Amino acid sequence: QVQLVQSGAEVRKPGASVKVSCKTSGYTFTSHDINWVRQATGQGLEWMGWMNPNTGDTGYAQKFQGRVTMTRDTSISTAYMELSSLRSEDTAVYYCARDLGYCSGGSCSNWFDPWGQGTLVTVTS
Amino acid sequence: SSELTQDPAVSVALGQTVRITCQGDSLRSYYTTWYQQKPGQAPILVIYGENNRPSGIPDRFSASSSGNTASLTITGAQAEDEADYYCHSRDTGGKHYVFGTGTKVTVL
Repeated sequence: QVQLVQSGAEVRKPGASVKVSCKTSGYTFTSHDINWVRQATGQGLEWMGWMNPNTGDTGYAQKFQGRVTMTRDTSISTAYMELSSLRSEDTAVYYCARDLGYCSGGSCSNWFDPWGQGTLVTVTS
Repeated sequence: SSELTQDPAVSVALGQTVRITCQGDSLRSYYTTWYQQKPGQAPILVIYGENNRPSGIPDRFSASSSGNTASLTITGAQAEDEADYYCHSRDTGGKHYVFGTGTKVTVL
C-alpha cells in the first residue's frame, strides 16, 4: 500500500535549520507532487509548498519564500523539506502528503492522500 | 482573497445530521476537498472531487457546493465522527493551495 514515512522529531535553537525527510513507497515516486503542510499546537493546517519529484520544480507559499527548500532523492523515493532561520513560531508538526488530482468539465480537483505521520519540530533556546 | 473560512465549532446529537461550511472566492473555480483529523493523528481524506469518498469512508459523508460555499454533510453522525474537519482547495491564482480554518465537530 502507499506509505509516506517521515523522519523523527527534531529540536533546534532559534536561527538554526531543520531538514525533514519523507520516504515514500507503494507507488511511482516521480508520478505525483509532494506537498508539505504544518500545524502548530492547537492550530489549523498551513500549506507550505509543493515539489514535483520528476522535475524538481517547486512552489512555495509566500510566507515561507526564502526560508524553505524542498528537494528530493529519486534513487530512494524520498522528499525533503528544509526550513532555515528558525524561530519559536516555527514549532509545529510538519506533514508531507502525496498530491492527486484531475480536471473535468473545466473544473479541477486536487487532494492530498495519504499523509505522512508527521514530524514534530521544536524550536527552543 | 485566498482564504477559506469555516465555523470554528459545531455540535450534533448522535444520529442526527450536521453540515459544515467553507467559504472562499477560489471555491467558485475549484472543487473542495475535505479532511478529518482526530487528536494526535495526521489528517485523512474524506471527500474529493465533486463528491467522491475514498475507500473506507462511510457513505454518511457527502459534499456539495454552490457559488463560493462548499459544504460537508454528515448524515446520522456517529461518536467516531467527532474530530476537526478542514476544507482545502487551490487559491484564487490557481498555483498554490489553501486550507480552511477548521471546524471542530462534537457529537453529543
